[in-house]
Amino acid sequence: EVQLLESGGGLVHPGGSLRLSCAASGFTFNNYAMNWVRQAPGKGLEWVSLIYGTGTSTYYAASVAGRFTVSRDNSKDTLYLQMTSLRAEDTALYYCVKHAGYCSGGTCYSNDHFDFWGPGTLVTVSS
Amino acid sequence: QSALTQPASVSGSPGQSITISCTGTSSNVGGYNLVSWYQHHPGRVPKLIIYEGTKRPSGVSNRFSGSKSGNTASLTISGLQAEDEADYYCCSYTGSTYYVFGTGTKVTVL
Repeated sequence: EVQLLESGGGLVHPGGSLRLSCAASGFTFNNYAMNWVRQAPGKGLEWVSLIYGTGTSTYYAASVAGRFTVSRDNSKDTLYLQMTSLRAEDTALYYCVKHAGYCSGGTCYSNDHFDFWGPGTLVTVSS
Repeated sequence: QSALTQPASVSGSPGQSITISCTGTSSNVGGYNLVSWYQHHPGRVPKLIIYEGTKRPSGVSNRFSGSKSGNTASLTISGLQAEDEADYYCCSYTGSTYYVFGTGTKVTVL
């Protein structure tokens, strides 16, 4: 059974930093791309970041590019999101989200949708 | 990328069919057959219900169906049930900026 469990959220002052973690289990972690998606209070979902299985390719929404860094430790089946220069508008529930995909003939491919979500960790940016 | 446009709310009576639209541009919805839909009950995690525009994951009811015309994707829920009351989000691959979600639609079962 796929399980994703985020941690590291909390209250931080504007301009501060925070690192989120996501512990994954129930699948071969390094075979799959992973994402962070957030939901501000009373608002909709916003895609934040993507990292491919090897960790060498990363992508960001314009709203966080240059401030957030996504990484992964495949030896620990863990995804990270380092957030710096935090702003009030970064206040949200942050979800760790597994990319759908499949492996064939020793090569793994990513599909362009998300098949499993963690319960989320709340980040509040306030003075 | 601006969020894809969805109606804020849609309602229907049990047994009826409803359709939720998701309007984008030729750079996202219209340019790729890569729209997915997610059902989100408050307090629970979002659930994938449609991917690649029209495909249903195993275990998802066949009452959910997806379609696309031009720059607008649609999700239809037929035989509306009380358990379908939730928020629904579309999401599209966008090429260089990767993914964009819709604004979300609250479905109410009357």
